[in-house]
Amino acid sequence: EAQVTQNPRYLITVTGKKLTVTCSQNMNHEYMSWYRQDPGLGLRQIYYSMNVEVTDKGDVPEGYKVSRKEKRNFPLILESPSPNQTSLYFCASRDLAGGNEQFFGPGTRLTVL
Amino acid sequence: RKEVEQDPGPFNVPEGATVAFNCTYSNSASQSFFWYRQDCRKEPKLLMSVYSSGNEDGRFTAQLNRASQYISLLIRDSKLSDSATYLCVVKGDSNYQLIWGAGTKLIIKP
Repeated sequence: EAQVTQNPRYLITVTGKKLTVTCSQNMNHEYMSWYRQDPGLGLRQIYYSMNVEVTDKGDVPEGYKVSRKEKRNFPLILESPSPNQTSLYFCASRDLAGGNEQFFGPGTRLTVL
Repeated sequence: RKEVEQDPGPFNVPEGATVAFNCTYSNSASQSFFWYRQDCRKEPKLLMSVYSSGNEDGRFTAQLNRASQYISLLIRDSKLSDSATYLCVVKGDSNYQLIWGAGTKLIIKP
């Protein structure tokens, strides 16, 4: 089954404790991205990647890092989480050569205390 | 001004009614347009693309007005299962950039 997976689905942590949210897709998509979704603000892009070892900042990259060492994986790293990073996070992937549909993971609900 | 704007709603609509919502975009060079549906606490999923001539998929009709820079979604004979948030998405003038509206919440009441 074609899908995007994220782990963990739920996470409660404390300020300053480094964490990683994993994302993996099995559709061989070149393009992957991370979003955060907050009430009234919609989806805001954090980082995106056009292919392996190619990443770039989205609209709200501060406080986040990403890496793309393999095509299927695109982890999101919070080196020192703060309460304003409490949000719902979505990973997504898209086939740039094919259609326009973007496929999303199920989301990770992060709470930083 | 936001690049993509939607009325946040919620739209409370009786079952069986027709409901329509619009989305405006600011970049006249935008190339492609989409509607995504997002159920509560779930991931967004593509509902339909929006073509220049307008398109229909069952009870759903999408239209594009380039002159006024808006797209619309019409839902006929609304069902309880149509309750969701509808996200307007605009592809900019690059192949990778998708710009998301904040969504319109629709609640269908029996």
